[in-house]
Amino acid sequence: KQEVTQIPAALSVPEGENLVLNCSFTDSAIYNLQWFRQDPGKGLTSLLLIQSSQREQTSGRLNASLDKSSGRSTLYIAASQPGDSATYLCAVKSGNQFYFGTGTSLTVIP
Amino acid sequence: DAGVTQSPTHLIKTRGQQVTLRCSPKSGHDTVSWYQQALGQGPQFIFQYYEEEERQRGNFPDRFSGHQFPNYSSELNVNALLLGDSALYLCASSLPGAPYEQYFGPGTRLTVT
Repeated sequence: KQEVTQIPAALSVPEGENLVLNCSFTDSAIYNLQWFRQDPGKGLTSLLLIQSSQREQTSGRLNASLDKSSGRSTLYIAASQPGDSATYLCAVKSGNQFYFGTGTSLTVIP
Repeated sequence: DAGVTQSPTHLIKTRGQQVTLRCSPKSGHDTVSWYQQALGQGPQFIFQYYEEEERQRGNFPDRFSGHQFPNYSSELNVNALLLGDSALYLCASSLPGAPYEQYFGPGTRLTVT
């Protein structure tokens, strides 16, 4: 069974710092990996999707990478802002199911 | 372009009761997935509907059932509610083929007392 882990569980950084969030998965047979943002009590907002044949995707200040062979993905956030404060979740599609990590709670201090 | 919508926003039920949650997918999407997210946890996959059929199911008991209508909207039904069913229920829509990108609704917060 696919298991997805996110480390760290929580992260606090001063505004302007660059940061990296980590996601690991146990089964490399995935169709894609998707990064989401979730504000407290709200739904999930899609940030980036990397297909299994891709190595990375970029959108604005966000860059996500995928290394299927090692079962890892990273989300890089450049020049962090207080508005980036949220929980960040990664999810993989494996078989016909989607598996989520428990998320990293990010706080950006002004 | 209408995104994924869910109703109701919040719901309070008593143990043993039954509940129905509703979801309308993003325009152009015909596949709907349902998730349960307990406080502080990641979403857990309940099931997915495509062409009005349950295509895949996660590790949830038969008390959780669903339906998809010809207009692609979907319902999640939970019978014999337990306190542990209290959670945020999320609906996601997607196209049936690659890249399988999911778009989520705002969720329904269910509290069972």
